[in-house]
Amino acid sequence: GAVVSQHPSRVICKSGTSVKIECRSLDFQATTMFWYRQFPKQSLMLMATSNEGSKATYEQGVEKDKFLINHASLTLSTLTVTSAHPEDSSFYICSARGPRGSGASTDTQYFGPGTRLTVL
Amino acid sequence: DAKTTQPPSMDCAEGRAANLPCNHSTISGNEYVYWYRQIHSQGPQYIIHGLKNNETNEMASLIITEDRKSSTLILPHATLRDTAVYYCIVRPSVSGYALNFGKGTSLLVTP
Repeated sequence: GAVVSQHPSRVICKSGTSVKIECRSLDFQATTMFWYRQFPKQSLMLMATSNEGSKATYEQGVEKDKFLINHASLTLSTLTVTSAHPEDSSFYICSARGPRGSGASTDTQYFGPGTRLTVL
Repeated sequence: DAKTTQPPSMDCAEGRAANLPCNHSTISGNEYVYWYRQIHSQGPQYIIHGLKNNETNEMASLIITEDRKSSTLILPHATLRDTAVYYCIVRPSVSGYALNFGKGTSLLVTP
């Protein structure tokens, strides 16, 4: 239980294009989802927090107009990197927490497998 | 959130117990200790968490000192697949809090 999926797992795109990453909680409902970014040899850095049905809260230094987050349902959040540039190349990871459900604890975040974005 | 301190790296022989320490001397009364690990190029994996009592699950044991200023994650019989970066994170139990990942401990399990 408590499985989080991400799609795609890997994407390569040209500079200037937009890329959408999906994060799904497969067997529980997630009232809150988090998006992290990880550069090579560095730790995870929180980008934003999204609650179902409301606007995301972005961390300082993260451009909300560049990284669009939509948490339209209790099982799906999307991150769209708009007008991607090479410096946006990174490993993007989502996590989900939610009410007690199939295998999920209210106090635990469960992470997706990550999406590796490469912008040429 | 309280700050945690972990050794940057550790080695462990396969089949032996791996004991990963974590200092969190400024922990507050309502903060839990969480452990996650990240295998290369994968998302973090939840291992275990606790408040003040020792905890055990199918993956590991968590030993928290009586004053709660430090803890130890124990992998009882380490395997090569346990090679990963292990993160000790302290945060309140209240919902909605993101996890503050530090640098963690890079554990290398050797044959």
